[in-house]
Amino acid sequence: EVQLLESGGALVQPGGSLRLSCSASGFTFSSYVIHWVRQAPGKGLEYVSAISSNGDSTYYADSMKGRFTISRDNSKNTLHLQMGSLRADDTALYYCVKDSTIFGVVTPPYYFDYWGQGTLVTVSS
Amino acid sequence: DIQMTQSPSSVSASVGDRVTITCRASQDISNRLAWYQQKPGKAPKLQIYAASSLQSGVPSRFSGSGSGTDFTLTISSLQPEDFATYYCQQADSFPATFGGGTEVEIK
Repeated sequence: EVQLLESGGALVQPGGSLRLSCSASGFTFSSYVIHWVRQAPGKGLEYVSAISSNGDSTYYADSMKGRFTISRDNSKNTLHLQMGSLRADDTALYYCVKDSTIFGVVTPPYYFDYWGQGTLVTVSS
Repeated sequence: DIQMTQSPSSVSASVGDRVTITCRASQDISNRLAWYQQKPGKAPKLQIYAASSLQSGVPSRFSGSGSGTDFTLTISSLQPEDFATYYCQQADSFPATFGGGTEVEIK
């Protein structure tokens, strides 16, 4: 059974940093692109970032560029999202999401077939 | 970024009703569209991909159609477990973008 378990969410002050993690199991983690998608409380879904299967290529939505860094450790089946210069509008539930295709590179189409339960990041003073 | 517009934002329906949700892309995305179901407090769940392909395990009362810029999700006979919010997502270009969601409520 595919499982994605996020952790690391917390209350952080504006301008602060936080590192999210996602532990994966039930599939060959090193073969798949993994994404982060977030959802502000009571709002819709917003794409955050992606990383290729071998970790060599990373991609970010414009509002996250320069502030967030995605990485992965295939030896530990773990994904990370280092978040910096956090703002109030980064407050959201952050989901770790598996890409549906086994290409391993970040290329369309981008379908998300498994989602974790999310970890909550709250940015507030 | 490609903008995705869903309508209606909410719909009230009864068990057994046929429900249709529409999604429009701001540019041609071919058939690269997915639909997700999200229940309160839960993560989204992939229902349909490539506009009309049913994800494994999803009941056949769900169907999708469309190509280019206009797409629909249809639930042929609404069941109690189908009351949820549905999102469309374009899968054609980076970054993936989502519609604003359609809440299917009990009438």
